[in-house]
Amino acid sequence: DGGITQSPKYLFRKEGQNVTLSCEQNLNHDAMYWYRQDPGQGLRLIYYSQIVNDFQKGDIAEGYSVSREKKESFPLTVTSAQKNPTAFYLCASRGTGVGTGELFFGEGSRLTVL
Amino acid sequence: EDQVTQSPEALRLQEGESSSLNCSYTVSGLRGLFWYRQDPGKGPEFLFTLYSAGEEKEKERLKATLTKKESFLHITAPKPEDSATYLCAVLLMEYGNKLVFGAGTILRVKS
Repeated sequence: DGGITQSPKYLFRKEGQNVTLSCEQNLNHDAMYWYRQDPGQGLRLIYYSQIVNDFQKGDIAEGYSVSREKKESFPLTVTSAQKNPTAFYLCASRGTGVGTGELFFGEGSRLTVL
Repeated sequence: EDQVTQSPEALRLQEGESSSLNCSYTVSGLRGLFWYRQDPGKGPEFLFTLYSAGEEKEKERLKATLTKKESFLHITAPKPEDSATYLCAVLLMEYGNKLVFGAGTILRVKS
């Protein structure tokens, strides 16, 4: 089945460590996104990418980094510079043709800093 | 500043008790409005897209409507399995087709 796969589902990190969250899609979508979700807040955009080898900062990019070397993959690295990384992270993708506005989401990765 | 506000924050209904969720927005260059359902610990699941004022979409017990300043998600005769967080998002006219999300409405339906 086509979809978006995020891994790991749960991740624990010690302060000062970098961690990388994986996002893979087989929907042949050009655009991919990373969102952060905190209790009581809407999803906030971290980074997005419209095409391979190109990506843009979202509203809360500080302390995060991404790469887009393949169309199918958009990994997110949470660096030690991110001061409050404990959150639920969601990856999404979207087709870029006419009438393809909706995002399709993965199941999320929950990061906890110990 | 582009803003999306959902109300109420939480809603408790008895099974069969119809109600509506609200999503109001103040944005420039709206390209579309989306409704999602999210279960605890899961990613959001797409429900509806609305593109212009006056448009309506239906799916089972859910009906979404759109005006120039807000959208409503009407739930008719809800069942316990409709319990979830409902998210509203607006699609803006800028590079990357940015979606701005509201904080969501937590719906609990008791039998």
